[in-house]
Amino acid sequence: DAGVTQSPTHLIKTRGQQVTLRCSPKSGHDTVSWYQQALGQGPQFIFQYYEEEERQRGNFPDRFSGHQFPNYSSELNVNALLLGDSALYLCASERGEETQYFGPGTRLLVL
Amino acid sequence: RKEVEQDPGPFNVPEGATVAFNCTYSNSASQSFFWYRQDCRKEPKLLMSVYSSGNEDGRFTAQLNRASQYISLLIRDSKLSDSATYLCVVNSLGTNAGKSTFGDGTTLTVKP
Repeated sequence: DAGVTQSPTHLIKTRGQQVTLRCSPKSGHDTVSWYQQALGQGPQFIFQYYEEEERQRGNFPDRFSGHQFPNYSSELNVNALLLGDSALYLCASERGEETQYFGPGTRLLVL
Repeated sequence: RKEVEQDPGPFNVPEGATVAFNCTYSNSASQSFFWYRQDCRKEPKLLMSVYSSGNEDGRFTAQLNRASQYISLLIRDSKLSDSATYLCVVNSLGTNAGKSTFGDGTTLTVKP
């Protein structure tokens, strides 16, 4: 039973570029949430997708957008990258109100 | 003020020690509470849920005080393998349903 997977594992971009991160949820899970974790801080909620719709959103600008596909996998897109977007991006999946399971994350470095 | 605040740490304790972490939350509509563990450069993993009556899992005990909006985690007989960052997590209902709010974590180092 595969857990949550994310790709790529690491990414280096320059300011102003755009990036797409991908997440496949744990088998049987239909809800995907994305988090940003800066060094020394806890994960910050970006948004959550359920039934291909954004169900909940945190305090992140419109540069952060996402998508969920019919197979429940999800993408996080960030436009016009800033240096401050450098962080670990975590995807978590769940079903109903059960426990969230996190993927290993994507480390993004913006130069 | 952050929605979820934790002891800043770090906590450096010898093996066998008992250590307690505290967490406060500001949203009185918060409904469910968790402790996650995060190892260096790894993803967070659920350690335990926190129930109103308090709950225990082996050496770990979690307590919730809704009136004071306070959560705690007690680790008894610390092991070297307990060294990690412990994250307090709060979920809310209503307009924030589905949104998990994490504290910034407390780092624990258990030394021989």
